[in-house]
Amino acid sequence: GENVEQHPSTLSVQEGDSAVIKCTYSDSASNYFPWYKQELGKRPQLIIDIRSNVGEKKDQRIAVTLNKTAKHFSLHITETQPEDSAVYFCAAGETNSGYALNFGKGTSLLVTP
Amino acid sequence: DSGVTQTPKHLITATGQRVTLRCSPRSGDLSVYWYQQSLDQGLQFLIQYYNGEERAKGNILERFSAQQFPDLHSELNLSSLELGDSALYFCASSVARGGRQYFGPGTRLTVT
Repeated sequence: GENVEQHPSTLSVQEGDSAVIKCTYSDSASNYFPWYKQELGKRPQLIIDIRSNVGEKKDQRIAVTLNKTAKHFSLHITETQPEDSAVYFCAAGETNSGYALNFGKGTSLLVTP
Repeated sequence: DSGVTQTPKHLITATGQRVTLRCSPRSGDLSVYWYQQSLDQGLQFLIQYYNGEERAKGNILERFSAQQFPDLHSELNLSSLELGDSALYFCASSVARGGRQYFGPGTRLTVT
């Protein structure tokens, strides 16, 4: 089955700096890659997603890039703010499995003022 | 608020017992997914239903079962509970099988 690896497991940045989280996946059939943000005790919240026919997508301070050949995708957060502090999960899904998501282990991001 | 509702919020029960978790998807969503989140296993996909039919199965134990009803709400049944079943159980819904998944608030299950 699909295996999603996520790095780093923890990330600490200063407010205003950029943060980058990287994920790799193993199943070349995967074609949908969402990112979720989860605050303590809350539900995972979809923040951005990308499909395999697109290489990059941006939404304000958040961007995701996908390299299908290398089977990796990354989340970029620019101008980080303290409220960006949370655990971020990458995931991969594909058509044949009904887009059931395989998640990475998560990155705990801390943005210090 | 994602529009996905789950009940109960918390559940405390003893080993060997059986519980039922309930999920109501967002209005108009036909697909429901169940996920388990624990500290050691992370977020794991359990099972998916689409318009009442099972469509995909993940690492779901035989002691666990689910169904989706005609009104599209779904229930996850966990039986012969063990201490290791303690976790957060989330459901997510999407409009179609390839749609974005929106998570409910989760049910925290504690097995003592």
